[in-house]
Amino acid sequence: DAKTTQPPSMDCAEGRAANLPCNHSTISGNEYVYWYRQIHSQGPQYIIHGLKNNETNEMASLIITEDRKSSTLILPHATLRDTAVYYCIVRYTGTASKLTFGTGTRLQVTL
Amino acid sequence: NAGVTQTPKFRILKIGQSMTLQCTQDMNHNYMYWYRQDPGMGLKLIYYSVGAGITDKGEVPNGYNVSRSTTEDFPLRLELAAPSQTSVYFCASSYGQGTGEQFFGPGTRLTVL
Repeated sequence: DAKTTQPPSMDCAEGRAANLPCNHSTISGNEYVYWYRQIHSQGPQYIIHGLKNNETNEMASLIITEDRKSSTLILPHATLRDTAVYYCIVRYTGTASKLTFGTGTRLQVTL
Repeated sequence: NAGVTQTPKFRILKIGQSMTLQCTQDMNHNYMYWYRQDPGMGLKLIYYSVGAGITDKGEVPNGYNVSRSTTEDFPLRLELAAPSQTSVYFCASSYGQGTGEQFFGPGTRLTVL
């Protein structure tokens, strides 16, 4: 699986959009980009994933660059409850769904 | 649905003791996983299972054993607890091989003294 690079921490004002970047320059054509988050000490929570096209669901949007070397997770209107560690994971679909977690980005949403 | 449940929530062990961490899921998922998370770090895969009777090692399997006799249950066994096994343990499940959407339990916080 390709390695990912994320900033260690970010701040965002409540109500603003939070844009979390991720670099995955060694990604291969059949690897997906997944995003999870972990609130405090809870188990990680799946957010969204994509291959080439941009994706949107009720939680967030995922923007993947055309060359697929980087992506951005967008929380359109961040709330205090979005304060968490966000993990960007690249995963080859041929494996047994194994996920490799890095250290992620700690997002702090403030008033 | 309760999702993925884990017991106990907390446990303190003495060096050399053994214990089993329980994990149960009610979503009829084929795939189940055990991860550990050390302070300030990401999760590391210990063992995983692709169905009843089938298990395989992950990134950090030493010191642990697993079994999968039913679809619902995937217990993790620590035979000779060591301080290096102090960690938070998460169990997860997913529907199949093609999906990376895993559902995680609340975790078990284990301290070995």
